[in-house]
Amino acid sequence: EIVMTQSPATLSMSPGERVTLSCRASQSVSSNLAWYQQKPGQAPRLLIYGASATATGIPDRFSGSGSGTEFTLTISSLQSEDFAVYYCQQYENWPPLTFGGGTKVEIK
Amino acid sequence: EAQLEESGGGLVQPGGSLRLSCAASGYNFVAYAMNWVRQAPGKGPEWVSYINSGSTKTFYADSVRGRFTTSRDDGKSSVYLQMHSLRAEDTGVYYCARGGMISDSWGQGTLVTVSS
Repeated sequence: EIVMTQSPATLSMSPGERVTLSCRASQSVSSNLAWYQQKPGQAPRLLIYGASATATGIPDRFSGSGSGTEFTLTISSLQSEDFAVYYCQQYENWPPLTFGGGTKVEIK
Repeated sequence: EAQLEESGGGLVQPGGSLRLSCAASGYNFVAYAMNWVRQAPGKGPEWVSYINSGSTKTFYADSVRGRFTTSRDDGKSSVYLQMHSLRAEDTGVYYCARGGMISDSWGQGTLVTVSS
């Protein structure tokens, strides 16, 4: 089973700042990585797939990069609605599909 | 726009059974695989099961294999999760999600609580 590790666990940021979240896989997942956003009381929402492709309806301030074992989700200018928890998920070697533990982006 | 609505959650005693349903609308249900994903309180998502379009393949997490069964009824645009021998660690919100490797639409979830 591929283990996904996200860092940091929590980020305290201010609106307008650039945010960089990290995700590491225990073995290569090529570019088979997705990012999801989850707000309190809501289901996860797909942001990025294929490590860098933006899902339908996602603002262009969200971008993904990386391949192999190291991945990054960047929010170019943090908006109030972006305060949430972000999860990465690999789909290179499955089952099982595996998620990271999440990074919470909170208001500073 | 795809819409998914789960139902069937509730409080059940350890060792009990529960059947979750997920009704899909707004897209061609038969063309898509479906996943069940759960989330324990305060934890990240955990993939539970997968069923492909055509119901010829199902996969399960090790933690539920042999206790949970996923199925679908394409005529009703619905997917199901039959859960037996429930344990406290099965407690959480259960989501159905469209897609196989990538879940691009999710329901709002249904809460399953396993407790005596």
